[in-house]
Amino acid sequence: AQSVTQLDSQVPVFEEAPVELRCNYSSSVSVYLFWYVQYPNQGLQLLLKYLSGSTLVESINGFEAEFNKSQTSFHLRKPSVHISDTAEYFCAVTRMDSSYKLIFGSGTRLLVRP
Amino acid sequence: NAGVTQTPKFQVLKTGQSMTLQCAQDMNHNSMYWYRQDPGMGLRLIYYSASEGTTDKGEVPNGYNVSRLNKREFSLRLESAAPSQTSVYFCASTATTVGEQFFGPGTRLTVL
Repeated sequence: AQSVTQLDSQVPVFEEAPVELRCNYSSSVSVYLFWYVQYPNQGLQLLLKYLSGSTLVESINGFEAEFNKSQTSFHLRKPSVHISDTAEYFCAVTRMDSSYKLIFGSGTRLLVRP
Repeated sequence: NAGVTQTPKFQVLKTGQSMTLQCAQDMNHNSMYWYRQDPGMGLRLIYYSASEGTTDKGEVPNGYNVSRLNKREFSLRLESAAPSQTSVYFCASTATTVGEQFFGPGTRLTVL
């Protein structure tokens, strides 16, 4: 079975500072990896995904994540955050054997302060 | 193009009452999902439908039933609501098994 661990439930940071949201997963089979973002009172939106190829993936709004197979991690980073990045971020995995199911981490609330 | 829509947005039930949460997508997606979101637990899969005419249990199916009415619609039914089912419920859909899942805005359910 797969599992996803997001160790930080909340990360406070000042505007324009860098941030890293940590995600570790466990799985006996190869997986695909995702980061979703949830703004207050909204559904989830895909931020970025790793399926294959380059281990560094980027989003259109400046976030990036690096797949590290040896450390089973998929940490999310942004070099300079904005107030508008305040949201909850979820890491998720799905098996490569087409089981269709996403397994989510418990989420990390990013709080950007002015 | 409305994406994934859910009704109702809010609902309060008494213990033992029943209700159906509705979900529809207009993106011609094959697969649809129902999740519940509880504080500190992320999203957990209740049921999913890989294609029209099929449904399967997810991680937390007890107390729920689903119907894939057609390719567009996937409903979630609570036959006898319990306080433990107080949660925010999200419907999602995807065109492929490893593609982006598109989420609806959610239904906030309170069971008293």
